[in-house]
Amino acid sequence: GENVEQHPSTLSVQEGDSAVIKCTYSDSASNYFPWYKQELGKGPQLIIDIRSNVGEKKDQRIAVTLNKTAKHFSLHITETQPEDSAVYFCAARHRGTASKLTFGTGTRLQVTL
Amino acid sequence: DAGITQSPRHKVTETGTPVTLRCHQTENHRYMYWYRQDPGHGLRLIHYSYGVKDTDKGEVSDGYSVSRSKTEDFLLTLESATSSQTSVYFCAISRELQGNTEAFFGQGTRLTVV
Repeated sequence: GENVEQHPSTLSVQEGDSAVIKCTYSDSASNYFPWYKQELGKGPQLIIDIRSNVGEKKDQRIAVTLNKTAKHFSLHITETQPEDSAVYFCAARHRGTASKLTFGTGTRLQVTL
Repeated sequence: DAGITQSPRHKVTETGTPVTLRCHQTENHRYMYWYRQDPGHGLRLIHYSYGVKDTDKGEVSDGYSVSRSKTEDFLLTLESATSSQTSVYFCAISRELQGNTEAFFGQGTRLTVV
């Protein structure tokens, strides 16, 4: 089955700096890669996603890139703010698997003032 | 929140007792999922459903069963709870959005087995 690895497990950046979280996946048949943000005591919230026919996608301060050849994708957050502090999860979905997601182990992002 | 309600939000139970967690959705989505979240493991799929009375196993299904007798309700049952099932459980649905299928999660149920 699919295996998703995520790095780093913790990340501390100063407010205004950029943060990058990286994930790799094992199954070349995966075609959808969402990113989730989870705040303390809440469920994961979808923040951005990318499909295998696209190399990059942006939404304001957040961007995701995908390298299908290398089987890795990354989340980029620019101009970080304290409210960006949370745990971020990447995930991958195999084509035709009833939308089942395989998740990475999470990155705890801390944005310091 | 995609109209997802999980109940209870917190539960403490004793080893060997049965426990049922409920997920209720209000938007008539076909697919529903149960995940568990543990430190160092991210979220792992327990079971999922693709329609009323249609369910299948995920990667960590041992010790769990599910039922879906109505579109809006997806129940997760631990027949005989063990300490290894102490976890936070999340229900999710898949929603069609602009031609794409995206997953949305409930707020979670924190289960402690003592």
